[in-house]
Amino acid sequence: DTAVSQTPKYLVTQMGNDKSIKCEQNLGHDTMYWYKQDSKKFLKIMFSYNNKELIINETVPNRFSPKSPDKAHLNLHINSLELGDSAVYFCASSQDREGHHNNEKLFFGSGTQLSVL
Amino acid sequence: LAKTTQPISMDSYEGQEVNITCSHNNIATNDYITWYQQFPSQGPRFIIQGYKTKVTNEVASLFIPADRKSSTLSLPRVSLSDTAVYYCLVGASGGYQKVTFGTGTKLQVIP
Repeated sequence: DTAVSQTPKYLVTQMGNDKSIKCEQNLGHDTMYWYKQDSKKFLKIMFSYNNKELIINETVPNRFSPKSPDKAHLNLHINSLELGDSAVYFCASSQDREGHHNNEKLFFGSGTQLSVL
Repeated sequence: LAKTTQPISMDSYEGQEVNITCSHNNIATNDYITWYQQFPSQGPRFIIQGYKTKVTNEVASLFIPADRKSSTLSLPRVSLSDTAVYYCLVGASGGYQKVTFGTGTKLQVIP
């Protein structure tokens, strides 16, 4: 069983469309993340949720809205897609037991390649 | 978060030991040093983590000098399957801290 799974793996769409990427983790982790990896392979954190609560929200356009229905799921919805949104989006999770933040390992999904035409 | 600096790329022949050094001059007292490996079309995968001195697991060793301003990931006897990008991270991970990946070191193993 895949620990962190995200769908779809590939997403090709037109500018202006709205799309969603789903992520699920079966590790029982409390914290989930979305990362964006651009063409230069630089990996940047976008959002972090702990037990369905938004913890980190980096400088990301309002068009990006994460949704966490439960602590095992963190979906990413993107409105009005732009060319610059083309990238690989990675979902990740970590155990993040309260009071033990210093050495948590991140577990990543295999990524969603988003191409905006 | 402490900024990290590591070589952009390295080449190595199969069977050799590879050492990748990461500089993190502004590391904080509570910061751990973590290395991840990323293959093409996959998400990063945890390799090893340490706080000081030396850590070894089945995949790699991590050497951290006393001042902790740098660290070295050592991969023994690399094979072609070790061709990947290796990221050095410094800082606390988890939901209450931001973890930022640098540009990583692209290791190319040559037959």
